[in-house]
Amino acid sequence: SQTIHQWPATLVQPVGSPLSLECTVEGTSNPNLYWYRQAAGRGLQLLFYSVGIGQISSEVPQNLSASRPQDRQFILSSKKLLLSDSGFYLCAWSYGARSYNEQFFGPGTRLTVL
Amino acid sequence: RKEVEQDPGPFNVPEGATVAFNCTYSNSASQSFFWYRQDCRKEPKLLMSVYSSGNEDGRFTAQLNRASQYISLLIRDSKLSDSATYLCVVNRRTGGFKTIFGAGTRLFVKA
Repeated sequence: SQTIHQWPATLVQPVGSPLSLECTVEGTSNPNLYWYRQAAGRGLQLLFYSVGIGQISSEVPQNLSASRPQDRQFILSSKKLLLSDSGFYLCAWSYGARSYNEQFFGPGTRLTVL
Repeated sequence: RKEVEQDPGPFNVPEGATVAFNCTYSNSASQSFFWYRQDCRKEPKLLMSVYSSGNEDGRFTAQLNRASQYISLLIRDSKLSDSATYLCVVNRRTGGFKTIFGAGTRLFVKA
């Protein structure tokens, strides 16, 4: 069966510090991978998605970047965090070959920028 | 206007009640539709995919009306454990891939 891991579960960082969140998927090959952010009391916002190694599409301009160095690894980064980067960051995967595209989420990282 | 809109909620219902969630989408190129459930401070979990023919899973029934661009979720005989936020999700592929989540409708089921 497929599993998706995210770490860390919680993170408190000062403004201006760098960020690296990692997501890995097991039990499947060539997944589509996604990064979302959910601000407190708000809906999910798609930040990035990837259909393959090194292929990243950005949905909204922001202070963040994403990379996919391996097939089942997706990394979210920032060089300098802003207060507005606080939120619940969720990684998700879907079957790459299926057009129907149900997405399955990891447990998320709760980021607080102080 | 948001591309995916849901009832703002919250819904407060007694155990055993039937609850209906509604969702509308504005882009006619939308291709696939889902309902997710999100518990407080947890990740969303897929509840049901929504097909044009409608689909049922136990107490849950989902329907899609493409002509009206409308999706619904019905929960019968609601349980305390159904308390959560229900998210409507729409995928489309025109102009590149896009997944849009509704803001969600919070459900409280009370004894």
